[in-house]
Amino acid sequence: AQKITQTQPGMFVQEKEAVTLDCTYDTSDPSYGLFWYKQPSSGEMIFLIYQGSYDQQNATEGRYSLNFQKARKSANLVISASQLGDSAMYFCAMREADTGGGNKLTFGTGTQLKVEL
Amino acid sequence: KAGVTQTPRYLIKTRGQQVTLSCSPISGHRSVSWYQQTPGQGLQFLFEYFSETQRNKGNFPGRFSGRQFSNSRSEMNVSTLELGDSALYLCASSLEQGFAYGYTFGSGTRLTVV
Repeated sequence: AQKITQTQPGMFVQEKEAVTLDCTYDTSDPSYGLFWYKQPSSGEMIFLIYQGSYDQQNATEGRYSLNFQKARKSANLVISASQLGDSAMYFCAMREADTGGGNKLTFGTGTQLKVEL
Repeated sequence: KAGVTQTPRYLIKTRGQQVTLSCSPISGHRSVSWYQQTPGQGLQFLFEYFSETQRNKGNFPGRFSGRQFSNSRSEMNVSTLELGDSALYLCASSLEQGFAYGYTFGSGTRLTVV
């Protein structure tokens, strides 16, 4: 079963508007972290925002906010006031506490966001 | 402070050869992980090192190996290259291993096997 599901392969948004990128996750571990990364065409993965499973409030970082609904196991990214430079691939990822002591990030398939004038 | 540095940025190798990729983590970060990204399989976890010990390994054949040095720098090696190994290889470093710690990624090494 997919641990991270991103159902929107591509999204379009007009400049200055807000956009929501969907992410649902699956885990039985009570301790986990959820991350969003941005990957421009150049390839580097840029960290955007983090939400811990025990955090009571939704995370915010500038124009980015995470709509965390724990019972629904969803962690949607909201980008406000979209800019042309926001055009990129966006990945949702989860880091679980591995019983063997190691950790890893499990990624979704990504959403390609295109910001239009 | 300096970010995660991966070298080389681009690499072209012939099938059957072997390749070594290098990753220098952010100063003070002890955990280094490697990921393979391909259009077909997406982002897949290769392995994670923490304090010179491999702590976690993904589902890749034994041709893929890695190590971490005492200064936290890491290398990954792929032997007997196959065409399917063509990918973007991303290295990420983290301060600690806990689930609350995020990863900072390098710019990646784009490997092409011909």
